[in-house]
Amino acid sequence: DGGITQSPKYLFRKEGQNVTLSCEQNLNHDAMYWYRQDPGQGLRLIYYSQIVNDFQKGDIAEGYSVSREKKESFPLTVTSAQKNPTAFYLCASKPQGSIYEQYFGPGTRLTVT
Amino acid sequence: SQQGEEDPQALSIQEGENATMNCSYKTSINNLQWYRQNSGRGLVHLILIRSNEREKHSGRLRVTLDTSKKSSSLLITASRAADTASYFCATDTGTASKLTFGTGTRLQVTL
Repeated sequence: DGGITQSPKYLFRKEGQNVTLSCEQNLNHDAMYWYRQDPGQGLRLIYYSQIVNDFQKGDIAEGYSVSREKKESFPLTVTSAQKNPTAFYLCASKPQGSIYEQYFGPGTRLTVT
Repeated sequence: SQQGEEDPQALSIQEGENATMNCSYKTSINNLQWYRQNSGRGLVHLILIRSNEREKHSGRLRVTLDTSKKSSSLLITASRAADTASYFCATDTGTASKLTFGTGTRLQVTL
């Protein structure tokens, strides 16, 4: 998991509440990504950012928002508009360039009831 | 959208045996990557193979890539109980180095 932290590990919220998931990296990576993983499934891209103050929607951005005010931080807000927010959320980062792999954080398991 | 489909979905073998997982994808790629995920944890990168490479080795891992068939395979030789995990292929099509993940193969290695 080295260099990328996600907090908290487990998060519980009531339906209708917004919740922000933290992602911090000290790897000096330019690009950062947020994925969602449902049980028994692969990862789906929510948002990504290649540089500070810039981010783009991924495949399933509806009901989510992000910010990238600092290179080290890429928080994800799950809004009340997300119809099925309960999932495992993974943050990743990588250096710029196509030959590099992504480095993943340990994930946050969000449960909304 | 899921670019990659992995086969088999689940694989159970005994320690010492080899494990082979396959991945198929749909569009042209820049590179293909394999990741491992232990239950409830983040992903760990295993190996990256570029579109102009056909085979790559890393320790007990061997990856092949056939761009004409849009497929890749991951071979783990002499498996160990500690190899028990889910394995995912991910394709990089070159757009902002976004990765599109397959559905994964759950590998169980028993003693």
